[in-house]
Amino acid sequence: SQTIHQWPATLVQPVGSPLSLECTVEGTSNPNLYWYRQAAGRGLQLLFYSVGIGQISSEVPQNLSASRPQDRQFILSSKKLLLSDSGFYLCAWSIDSSNQPQHFGDGTRLSIL
Amino acid sequence: EDQVTQSPEALRLQEGESSSLNCSYTVSGLRGLFWYRQDPGKGPEFLFTLYSAGEEKEKERLKATLTKKESFLHITAPKPEDSATYLCAVQGDSNYQLIWGAGTKLIIKP
Repeated sequence: SQTIHQWPATLVQPVGSPLSLECTVEGTSNPNLYWYRQAAGRGLQLLFYSVGIGQISSEVPQNLSASRPQDRQFILSSKKLLLSDSGFYLCAWSIDSSNQPQHFGDGTRLSIL
Repeated sequence: EDQVTQSPEALRLQEGESSSLNCSYTVSGLRGLFWYRQDPGKGPEFLFTLYSAGEEKEKERLKATLTKKESFLHITAPKPEDSATYLCAVQGDSNYQLIWGAGTKLIIKP
C-alpha cells in the first residue's frame, strides 16, 4: 500500500532563516505531488504541484520554492522566512491529475518568530 | 470562477443525533467532488469521490450524495469519534487542481 511521510511535524524558526521541509511517498511510481498551506478556518491553498522529476508548477507568487530531485521526493524551501510564512503545510500525492483523490501527509506546523 | 462553500461552519450534535453537512459548488464541468475528514493537527483523510449527479456512497455512519449544485454528507447516529472537520473539494474541466471549501467542524457530544 502507498504511504506518505512528511517531516518535521513541528518547526519553530526565526525570521530570515532558511527552510527545508521534506516529503516522500512509498508504494507508487511517478505520483503527482502537491504542497499546500492551510490557514485556520480557510480552505487549503495549493502552493506547488509536480507531475514528474524536475517539473514544478507554482500556483501563487510567494517567498517559497519547491523541488523534486527524485520521483517520490518533494521538498519545500525558502532562503529567508517571513512572519507571513507561518502556517500548517501539507504534502499530498495522487495517481494522476484526472479526478483521482489526493492523499495527504500529517503536515508540518511552522511557526516563525 | 470555480467556488466551493461549506455550511454550517460548525455543528454541535448529541451522540445519536443524525444531521447533514452541505457543500455547494460552482465549477465548469465537474470531474469529481471529494470529501475528506481532518482531525486536529493531522492531514486530511480521504473519504469519498463522487463523479456525477445522483451518485451516492456510504462508509459506516457516513453517506455522501451529489446533485448538480451541491453535495451532502449525511451522518447517521453519530458517535463522539466522528468529531472532526469535514472538508469538501471539487475538480473541474477548466483547471485540474482541487478547489477547497473551508470545512465544517463537527462536534459530537456524548
